[in-house]
Amino acid sequence: AAGVIQSPRHLIKEKRETATLKCYPIPRHDTVYWYQQGPGQDPQFLISFYEKMQSDKGSIPDRFSAQQFSDYHSELNMSSLELGDSALYFCASSTPGYEQYFGPGTRLTVT
Amino acid sequence: DQQVKQNSPSLSVQEGRISILNCDYTNSMFDYFLWYKKYPAEGPTFLISISSIKDKNEDGRFTVFLNKSAKHLSLHIVPSQPGDSAVYFCAASAYSGGSNYKLTFGKGTLLTVNP
Repeated sequence: AAGVIQSPRHLIKEKRETATLKCYPIPRHDTVYWYQQGPGQDPQFLISFYEKMQSDKGSIPDRFSAQQFSDYHSELNMSSLELGDSALYFCASSTPGYEQYFGPGTRLTVT
Repeated sequence: DQQVKQNSPSLSVQEGRISILNCDYTNSMFDYFLWYKKYPAEGPTFLISISSIKDKNEDGRFTVFLNKSAKHLSLHIVPSQPGDSAVYFCAASAYSGGSNYKLTFGKGTLLTVNP
């Protein structure tokens, strides 16, 4: 069965650079969620989209922005990167409802 | 403020025995609970869930129990298998209208099943 695809899987950036993470949801899933998992931490909700509109927002820095496109894929844009942004970034997709299916994650390292 | 708590960072059990993973929550608005399993270098994999209107849900070797009055849930795996060794995350959601089903996670419990 098709799963959530995230790209890239690994990304290394320097401080103050920008990064773009991409997420392709499971076909026919119209809701996308982004989570950030720091080292030894639990995943923290960042932002979600339903039918291309932002539906909820969590602890997402103002330096980050995201959108969902007409084909339902989503991109998380991160600017002025800081060392503390180093983390695993997960995308999850669902139909409206509680059960979310996660991608493999993008490991971002900021040096 | 950790709204979902998994107080045991790790658990070790023998193959064939029962594994019991515990989770407590503080937010009484949570109305749906999920367990995810995570292997290193992979995303969390959905395992089993339970609505707050139920107290038990079973799927094969996995059973989740919910005690609303105690704000406690547990995941039972029986019999445990070495392939079950992974980090298990408890997650909770409070529907807040529209399509808002964001998950709040616990910090996870590393389960090791020894052959």
